[in-house]
Amino acid sequence: DQQVKQNSPSLSVQEGRISILNCDYTNSMFDYFLWYKKYPAEGPTFLISISSIKDKNEDGRFTVFLNKSAKHLSLHIVPSQPGDSAVYFCAASGTYKYIFGTGTRLKVLA
Amino acid sequence: DGGITQSPKYLFRKEGQNVTLSCEQNLNHDAMYWYRQDPGQGLRLIYYSHIVNDFQKGDIAEGYSVSREKKESFPLTVTSAQKNPTAFYLCASSIGSSGVSYNEQFFGPGTRLTVL
Repeated sequence: DQQVKQNSPSLSVQEGRISILNCDYTNSMFDYFLWYKKYPAEGPTFLISISSIKDKNEDGRFTVFLNKSAKHLSLHIVPSQPGDSAVYFCAASGTYKYIFGTGTRLKVLA
Repeated sequence: DGGITQSPKYLFRKEGQNVTLSCEQNLNHDAMYWYRQDPGQGLRLIYYSHIVNDFQKGDIAEGYSVSREKKESFPLTVTSAQKNPTAFYLCASSIGSSGVSYNEQFFGPGTRLTVL
C-alpha cells in the first residue's frame, strides 16, 4: 500500500528550462511534505518543505505547490541546471514517521 | 562539525552472519531512524526511536534489531534471519518525532551492505 507515489521514475530536461516533479499521496492526515535530493551512494539532503495549511512555498529556484483537494504536490525547479541532476524523493510527515515516495531521477541536459 | 556519521561505507558479509551498522549523530537530536533503499523502491523505514531506551518497528523490521542506549547512537544489526539483506542503508535523525511537530530529517551518508 503505497501512501506516497511518484509515478515518473525519470525525467529529462534541457538546461535553463523548468523541471516539474510530481508526487501524489493518499492519506489526508499528512500535515507536512518535504522534498529531498539524493546523489548516488550518498544520503538524501533536504531541499524544501510545505505545511498542509499552505499551497505554495518558494526558496530560490525551487518552488513546491500543494493541491490538497487532489492530494498532489509538485516541485518546480527554474531554471534547471546540470548540477540538479539527481534522484528526488518526496516525503509526507505522518504520525511519528515519514513516508517516502519511490523517487524520480532528474537528468538536466547541458 | 555537526552531522550524522555512518560506518563503514561499504560492508561485505557472508550469508548466515550477523552484522552491525553504526550510526552516530552529534546534533543533539532526540529521534533517529533507519531506512533501507532498494532500486525502484524508495526509502523504507526499518526502525525508529524517539527517545533513549525506546524504539519502534517500522514497515520492514523483520530480520533487523536495534538499540538506543545513548542519545547519539542508534546501531542497526542485520541478522541472519533477514532474507534479502543486500541494500543501501540510511540512518537519519530529527529534533523530535514527526508526530509532535514538523521536523526535518537529516541523513547520514549511508552504508552499502553486500551479502556474498
